[in-house]
Amino acid sequence: KAGVTQTPRYLIKTRGQQVTLSCSPISGHRSVSWYQQTPGQGLQFLFEYFSETQRNKGNFPGRFSGRQFSNSRSEMNVSTLELGDSALYLCASSPGQGGSYGYTFGSGTRLTVV
Amino acid sequence: DAKTTQPNSMESNEEEPVHLPCNHSTISGTDYIHWYRQLPSQGPEYVIHGLTSNVNNRMASLAIAEDRKSSTLILHRATLRDAAVYYCILSAYSGGGADGLTFGKGTHLIIQP
Repeated sequence: KAGVTQTPRYLIKTRGQQVTLSCSPISGHRSVSWYQQTPGQGLQFLFEYFSETQRNKGNFPGRFSGRQFSNSRSEMNVSTLELGDSALYLCASSPGQGGSYGYTFGSGTRLTVV
Repeated sequence: DAKTTQPNSMESNEEEPVHLPCNHSTISGTDYIHWYRQLPSQGPEYVIHGLTSNVNNRMASLAIAEDRKSSTLILHRATLRDAAVYYCILSAYSGGGADGLTFGKGTHLIIQP
């Protein structure tokens, strides 16, 4: 069974640009959530999607957005990139919502903003 | 958010059992206890989760205190590949949407050969 697939694995962008990251969840998983990991802040929750609707959002500015498609695949977008957005972006999928389900994480997309 | 407290680091010997503690004194009735681990340059890996009863899987066992204010992740026979940061997290569903996982600093587990 294929795991959570994130593309691309590595990305270098210039300040002010925008970026779109992609996540394909495990087949049958309907919940997709996104996390940002930096050395200073650790792993922080960005948002969670279930049935194409954003169900919850972390404490990040509006430059961070996402969406989920009918096949549960998800994308996140960061506009007007700042140097501080350099991080590992992780996607996690789960069969459903809530604590009764474990999350499976992808390997992440390493974004570097220069 | 309900929080967890873990030791910053622990050290164990290869092929011996490892008991990783986690305190969560403000846990609510709907909070599941999750454990994940992360190796360098990789995404977190699911280990185990439970609500009230002890849980076992091929990777580990989860022992939950009767009052649910603490839990212990048990690796029965540690190998060098178990060296990682282990996160104990409370996860719940709060009506409108699932709460995201709140990662703390975790426990850095060191395995000595």
